[in-house]
Parts: sequence; C-alpha cells; structure tokens
Amino acid sequence: DTEVTQTPKHLVMGMTNKKSLKCEQHMGHRAMYWYKQKAKKPPELMFVYSYEKLSINESVPSRFSPECPNSSLLNLHLHALQPEDSALYLCASSQGSTARTDPDPRFKNIQYFGAGTRLSVL
Amino acid sequence: AQSVTQLDSHVSVSEGTPVLLRCNYSSSYSPSLFWYVQHPNKGLQLLLKYTSAATLVKGINGFEAEFKKSETSFHLTKPSAHMSDAAEYFCVVSGPYTGGFKTIFGAGTRLFVKA
Repeated sequence: DTEVTQTPKHLVMGMTNKKSLKCEQHMGHRAMYWYKQKAKKPPELMFVYSYEKLSINESVPSRFSPECPNSSLLNLHLHALQPEDSALYLCASSQGSTARTDPDPRFKNIQYFGAGTRLSVL
Repeated sequence: AQSVTQLDSHVSVSEGTPVLLRCNYSSSYSPSLFWYVQHPNKGLQLLLKYTSAATLVKGINGFEAEFKKSETSFHLTKPSAHMSDAAEYFCVVSGPYTGGFKTIFGAGTRLFVKA
C-alpha cells in the first residue's frame, strides 16, 4: 500500500477564512512534505517534517502554518490567504528522514504523493 | 549543487510509436533519480526510480529509463505509446545537501498522444 490520502479534494475560501488541509499516510513513513503546484509548473516544496519535527521551511509566508500531530498525519492551516495562493497543494511522504546520517538514505528518499487539494482563494 | 533539465517542454507522438522524454541532471554526489507522471488534476505517480543499482531501470506501464553517468542523462522511453500515456512527466533528482536531502523537480514535459 503506497497510499497518501488528502482531504478535501477541492476547497474554495475567502481571504478572511481559516481552513485546514489534511494529509494522512499509514505506511510507517517518517518524513512528510507539503508542495504547492501552480498550473503548468512543477511542484514547489513548502515544508518538510522529519520524525514529526519541522526540518525544512522554504521561506513560506506565515499565512501557511504546518502541523504534524503524529507520524501519520500532516496538516496545513490556512489563514488570510491571497488569490495568488490558489493552486494544487500536494502532500507526499517518504520512508526515511531527511537526515544526512540516515543509513542507505537513497532508498528511503522515494516520495509518494497524494492526489492533492485544489484550492481556490476568492 | 544539483539541477535537472528536461529538454523538451512538450512532446507529441502518434499512438503505437516510441516515446522519448529527455532529462539531464547535474549533481555533486551520486544522485537518486526518478520519473513521475501526473495526469490532469491528479497527484504525482512514481513511474520508476534509479538508486545506483542497475543502470537500466524498468518502471510501470512499460516505461523504462537508462542512467548514463558519462552523459549525465536519465531519459525516459517506451516502445509503443498508448492514448492513456498522455500526461505531464517530471524528472526528479534527489541527493544530499547541507542539513539533509534536496529533491529537485524538472520543469516537466507534456506528452501528447495522437490517435
């Protein structure tokens, strides 16, 4: 089973709303990722959690707030978004951490993606 | 430093003809390389992966890729295109960087398959 589940599939929100995106995996993966993908572009990394701790924040605005309550679950809290934040938000997980000292890290770095949440900010 | 370049923004083939999607990479270390496919309004699906085992890698749906270190290439091929192969394809390089691993996506190649 290589399934990463994202909810909701679609979300429309106003600029003053607060909403959350949810991502879940039950593969025992210890690294989880949020990506943002605009139309006709590759995914852009936003955040990486490794062993439930935030290890990478790619200078994402504070209106995006990630949370990793446990090893299977990753949330992205949204507040005061702008229309330009409309995009497909993808979650991914991988077996290993991003730690350089992780043994045989290459095999553990394979990322499995969810289907994404299509977000529209009005 | 790492980078990945997909040489074609779009490729058009006829159904039943071979597919070639080109990818070149640059890495200071021995990288891991991947190809992902994304159908419209869907997430990314792993097609195949290279992690320094055999240089010819077979993936799902009849795709394969060959790692050529001397050419720093990892081109994706399929002998015979099917209509269902029409999608966006991303070449991805992953390797160590200060503090952990970095995963870098190519810009993508849109594959069109004509009947």
